[in-house]
Amino acid sequence: SAVISQKPSRDICQRGTSLTIQCQVDSQVTMMFWYRQQPGQSLTLIATANQGSEATYESGFVIDKFPISRPNLTFSTLTVSNMSPEDSSIYLCSGEKRGSFYNEQFFGPGTRLTVL
Amino acid sequence: TQLLEQSPQFLSIQEGENLTVYCNSSSVFSSLQWYRQEPGEGPVLLVTVVTGGEVKKLKRLTFQFGDARKDSSLHITAAQPGDTGLYLCAGPLLGGAQKLVFGQGTRLTINP
Repeated sequence: SAVISQKPSRDICQRGTSLTIQCQVDSQVTMMFWYRQQPGQSLTLIATANQGSEATYESGFVIDKFPISRPNLTFSTLTVSNMSPEDSSIYLCSGEKRGSFYNEQFFGPGTRLTVL
Repeated sequence: TQLLEQSPQFLSIQEGENLTVYCNSSSVFSSLQWYRQEPGEGPVLLVTVVTGGEVKKLKRLTFQFGDARKDSSLHITAAQPGDTGLYLCAGPLLGGAQKLVFGQGTRLTINP
């Protein structure tokens, strides 16, 4: 299976600041995605990270709040901007398995964010 | 509106019992995947079912895809404490974009 790493693994931040989460994948993935997950709940897709171009955002998520970069095939960042306590959540990156016909994904371990 | 309805959302049973988790939709999926997630980790893919009526077995876990490809089930036989976790069904909508729709998840606890 693919190796996907994220950092930081967790952080506690002050309201109004921004945090950038990094995601590194190995060559076994093609598309990359960013999700948000409240503890114990399901995943909500934030956006698809596109290599060398603007990310594709889902309804309810905007670039000004969650800017995403993917400068190359194996690296992406998600920034949570101007944070508020409502942004406290787990943020997960994933990669679609290369060669998969069924959009199977590998997931990173997640970044647990707490905003005070 | 939840495209994939998972039930039950919480389940706590004793070791050795059997259980079934359901994943239902009014939409057709080109495939359905089941993931398991443990605390502090990302979801891990267990299985993908592709063909209507397909049944796949993974040791004590049996996965079934409905004939119309709108629903799926996960049956665990003789559950063990190591089966504890959050189970998620997910799939790409038939004819939809290359992204996964996730169910709400089933939090399963197996008590020794």
